[in-house]
Amino acid sequence: EPEVTQTPSHQVTQMGQEVILRCVPISNHLYFYWYRQILGQKVEFLVSFYNNEISEKSEIFDDQFSVERPDGSNFTLKIRSTKLEDSAMYFCASSGGLAGGGEQFFGPGTRLTVL
Amino acid sequence: AQSVTQPDIHITVSEGASLELRCNYSYGATPYLFWYVQSPGQGLQLLLKYFSGDTLVQGIKGFEAEFKRSQSSFNLRKPSVHWSDAAEYFCAVGALGNQGGKLIFGQGTELSVKP
Repeated sequence: EPEVTQTPSHQVTQMGQEVILRCVPISNHLYFYWYRQILGQKVEFLVSFYNNEISEKSEIFDDQFSVERPDGSNFTLKIRSTKLEDSAMYFCASSGGLAGGGEQFFGPGTRLTVL
Repeated sequence: AQSVTQPDIHITVSEGASLELRCNYSYGATPYLFWYVQSPGQGLQLLLKYFSGDTLVQGIKGFEAEFKRSQSSFNLRKPSVHWSDAAEYFCAVGALGNQGGKLIFGQGTELSVKP
């Protein structure tokens, strides 16, 4: 069964460093998402991406965040200068849209720890 | 504003007992509703979804949920809980459209199962 994969599973970084979180969505999906979950809190939407551009972003997704689909398979989230409060589990998701059933399929997550 | 409320943070049930997890939503249009389950260290797995039609929807692992528009609720039920059902359960409403759309999650309900 097709699945969303994410690498790395755990990333530890120093405050102020740049990190890139990688995702491989399901191959025939057209919509891509990043969510995050701070420990003990709800899953929060960060950004959605469709047709090679951001379709929506939350207030969390400020200038230090960026997303890219550098080739036909990968979808990346870059945090330019990490802060302590960026420590969270980051989930990538993909969807075939309403025509594809509407549900979003989630990867296993990358746990980011900022020291 | 769109929101999802899961009033119960933690529920404990005995194995074999019935289960109901509550979810209330606030959404301006016809909602797309989802229940996801998250086992420790895992991503989010879709249990079931409601888009339209029959208000009682069946999902995987013996779960079902009932959409009640008048109560703005989408409660998850299972007639007989198994120890393997211990996990965190998230209700979500989808602001879906032609650009894909985002999911808005509730706080989650952690389910513990007593032998």
